[in-house]
Amino acid sequence: AQTVTQSQPEMSVQEAETVTLSCTYDTSESDYYLFWYKQPPSRQMILVIRQEAYKQQNATENRFSVNFQKAAKSFSLKISDSQLGDAAMYFCAYWTTGNQFYFGTGTSLTVIP
Amino acid sequence: DTEVTQTPKHLVMGMTNKKSLKCEQHMGHRAMYWYKQKAKKPPELMFVYSYEKLSINESVPSRFSPECPNSSLLNLHLHALQPEDSALYLCASSQPTRRSGEQFFGPGTRLTVL
Repeated sequence: AQTVTQSQPEMSVQEAETVTLSCTYDTSESDYYLFWYKQPPSRQMILVIRQEAYKQQNATENRFSVNFQKAAKSFSLKISDSQLGDAAMYFCAYWTTGNQFYFGTGTSLTVIP
Repeated sequence: DTEVTQTPKHLVMGMTNKKSLKCEQHMGHRAMYWYKQKAKKPPELMFVYSYEKLSINESVPSRFSPECPNSSLLNLHLHALQPEDSALYLCASSQPTRRSGEQFFGPGTRLTVL
């Protein structure tokens, strides 16, 4: 079975600084997608960024970017110029066709003013 | 419209009550999901409907009964719940034919069982 591991239960970052959240996964598949979802306190879970395993180029969405290392099965999220609104639980997730989502245990990010 | 809506937002019920949670999406998605989420934990998959048919039931107790009346609606019927069933219940949807598998989540129903 696929497993997704987030080894940092809690992280903190100063406003305007950069922080990196870690995620590793285990799979024998070659074609899959990886996602980072953000869940602010008492608010909706939203997609931050996605990465297709076949694409070597790391995905970027404004201040959010990933470092995808397929051989190492690593998928970290970098948040640049952190803002107060970035404070949330961040979940890494794995998906492959015909299968369900596998979520990591989450990282709680605090942004310090 | 890229929104998944859920009603009610909050629900308090006794262990003998019967209630229902509702989820609706108008994105034309043909897969819909129910998740249970405890505080500071990842969502746990409960049920998956694909093309209005139940495709995954993750060994959920029978006191939870899902229903998919049509491709836009998903219900979760609750009966004789236990206090440990108190949690945030999330609905999500996706398009099975879409390569990326991205799921869109609703805001959730926060359920408290007394």
